[in-house]
Amino acid sequence: QQQVRQSPQSLTVWEGGTTVLTCSYEDSTFNYFPWYQQFPGEGPALLISILSVSDKKEDGRFTTFFNKREKKLSLHIIDSQPGDSATYFCAASPTNSAGNKLTFGIGTRVLVRP
Amino acid sequence: EAGVTQSPRYAVLQEGQAVSFWCDPISGHDTLYWYQQPRDQGPQLLVYFRDEAVIDNSQLPSDRFSAVRPKGTNSTLKIQSAKQGDTATYLCASRGTGDAETLYFGSGTRLTVL
Repeated sequence: QQQVRQSPQSLTVWEGGTTVLTCSYEDSTFNYFPWYQQFPGEGPALLISILSVSDKKEDGRFTTFFNKREKKLSLHIIDSQPGDSATYFCAASPTNSAGNKLTFGIGTRVLVRP
Repeated sequence: EAGVTQSPRYAVLQEGQAVSFWCDPISGHDTLYWYQQPRDQGPQLLVYFRDEAVIDNSQLPSDRFSAVRPKGTNSTLKIQSAKQGDTATYLCASRGTGDAETLYFGSGTRLTVL
């Protein structure tokens, strides 16, 4: 069972454009939602995250939106740059003292063309 | 501050051979995770530790996979009798007690089983 669904699987945008990635989940206990960025040959690195008590979080050119009722979230990258070309993963977990068991989506491969 | 260090970087095996992966987490991080990332997929949790104790190994194929963290610092993941389906990148991540949510990933070991 795929608990975290991510779309699209790949997309291409022009430099300066806006990249929009979407994610949905099923487990109602999930309340922490990070987005990770992964370049070829490297491990994923945290880009931005949001807790279920919020509906929006912004960090520079990156904004994540969260809709608890629909169990959906999205990542928007404005003024996309060629250096943003990477694979982006949404993830989810319940936050608890026992640990942070992240469940990852399949990823979206983003190519930003100059 | 040094990041999460993994070795080897690459491994190529014939089916039936054994292999070990080594991880050195960020100093002071008490929680350590091993993830398996098949090609073009998101990371999937195999096992995680808090200090030297296994917290969850329910996703570890116990008949061929084993993981230890004897002193609560470095960790080793071992595959006995590798199969072609084990071909993937094996990622180690760590998390500190002060930064409750963020997982820091190493660059991974890319395993190919022929």
